[in-house]
Amino acid sequence: GAVVSQHPSWVICKSGTSVKIECRSLDFQATTMFWYRQFPKQSLMLMATSNEGSKATYEQGVEKDKFLINHASLTLSTLTVTSAHPEDSSFYICSASLTTLVYLEQEQFFGPGTRLTVL
Amino acid sequence: QKEVEQNSGPLSVPEGAIASLNCTYSDRGSQSFFWYRQYSGKSPELIMFIYSNGDKEDGRFTAQLNKASQYVSLLIRDSQPSDSATYLCAVNAGIYNQGGKLIFGQGTELSVKP
Repeated sequence: GAVVSQHPSWVICKSGTSVKIECRSLDFQATTMFWYRQFPKQSLMLMATSNEGSKATYEQGVEKDKFLINHASLTLSTLTVTSAHPEDSSFYICSASLTTLVYLEQEQFFGPGTRLTVL
Repeated sequence: QKEVEQNSGPLSVPEGAIASLNCTYSDRGSQSFFWYRQYSGKSPELIMFIYSNGDKEDGRFTAQLNKASQYVSLLIRDSQPSDSATYLCAVNAGIYNQGGKLIFGQGTELSVKP
């Protein structure tokens, strides 16, 4: 159980276009989802916390208008990279926590990631 | 000061040896701790979590937690080449656990040589 999917798994786009990445919890309801970005040889960088039915909470330094997050249902969160540029090329990973668990055991289940390349 | 610190490595051990991965954290309010493994080009997968002082064993893996020293470690016994990966230490964000938010260290790269 606790499977998270992401789509697409990779995308190549031209500079200036927008790209939407979907994150779905397949067998559980995810009140909270998280979006990370990871550059080569670096650790995960949390971009934002996505809460169903409310605005996302962005980490310091992450541009809200550039990285649009929508969490319209308990099983789907989307990240839209608007006007993408080559420096946005990265590995984007979503995760969801199983909040029905005792909070001390609320691990995050990660999606397989989306590799974005902006030309 | 980083909130969760790990040695970036790479840590190299021979096959069959014990690999020891260490992590320190700054927030004394942190209550649960997670070890994830990430293979190159893949997303992280959970190895185990711990929230009580002492040791917790799961197969070849043992997590050790010392809250007084704000230190958590992961031991891998009988290391195999397939254990070669980056190991991420993660700490829950605080007492109210902000919906499961975790703070990750920068990861330790482990290389197990045949």
